[in-house]
Amino acid sequence: GQQLNQSPQSMFIQEGEDVSMNCTSSSIFNTWLWYKQDPGEGPVLLIALYKAGELTSNGRLTAQFGITRKDSFLNISASIPSDVGIYFCAGQLNTNAGKSTFGDGTTLTVKP
Amino acid sequence: NAGVMQNPRHLVRRRGQEARLRCSPMKGHSHVYWYRQLPEEGLKFMVYLQKENIIDESGMPKERFSAEFPKEGPSILRIQQVVRGDSAAYFCASSPQDRYYGYTFGSGTRLTVV
Repeated sequence: GQQLNQSPQSMFIQEGEDVSMNCTSSSIFNTWLWYKQDPGEGPVLLIALYKAGELTSNGRLTAQFGITRKDSFLNISASIPSDVGIYFCAGQLNTNAGKSTFGDGTTLTVKP
Repeated sequence: NAGVMQNPRHLVRRRGQEARLRCSPMKGHSHVYWYRQLPEEGLKFMVYLQKENIIDESGMPKERFSAEFPKEGPSILRIQQVVRGDSAAYFCASSPQDRYYGYTFGSGTRLTVV
C-alpha cells in the first residue's frame, strides 16, 4: 500500500525560530493536506493543496505541493508556544473525496 | 454549528466484549470516515461510508469489525469480541459532498481493552 515518510520525527526549537518539515511518498498523490493534532483531540486541517507546484499560505504557515506529486513541505515562521503539537501530512488520490494516507507525524516542541 | 460529534470519549471494555463507537457528522456532511490511531503513530484509514453505503472498507480488519451509516442516526463502528490489540484512539471524520476541503475530525473515542 501507499506509505508516507514524514520527517523529522520530532523537533525542539526556540520561540521565534522558523520550522520546516516534509513528507515524501513512493507514489503520486493528487491532493496533499497538512493537519495539526493537539493532545487528546482530533487533527485539525491547516492547509490543503490541489495542484502540483502550488504554494499556499495560512498566516505563518506555508505549504507546497511538490512538482513530482510525491512530496510536500510545511514551513512555520516565527514559532510561538501554541504551535506545539503533532503535525501530520496526508496524501489523497481523489480530489473531492475518499481516503487519505497519513504520515506518522512530526512532534514540535517550542521552548519559550 | 456543531462539529463532528463522537461518543463516548473514553470506553473501557473487557476482552471478549463488544465496543460500539458513534459518530455524528458535521451538519451538511454526507461522507464519513473512520481512522484508528495507535500511540506515537499516525492515523490509519479503516472505512469510508456515505448514507447507507460502504464506499471503501479496504482498511477494515476482515473479522470482528463492522461499520454502518444508516439513513437516520449516527455512523457506528462496531468491534466484536475485543482484544487488547484493539486498544487505540478511533477518530471519525466527515466531509461534504459538493465541496472538498479536507476532513473535519471529531475528538475521538479512546478504547481501552482490559
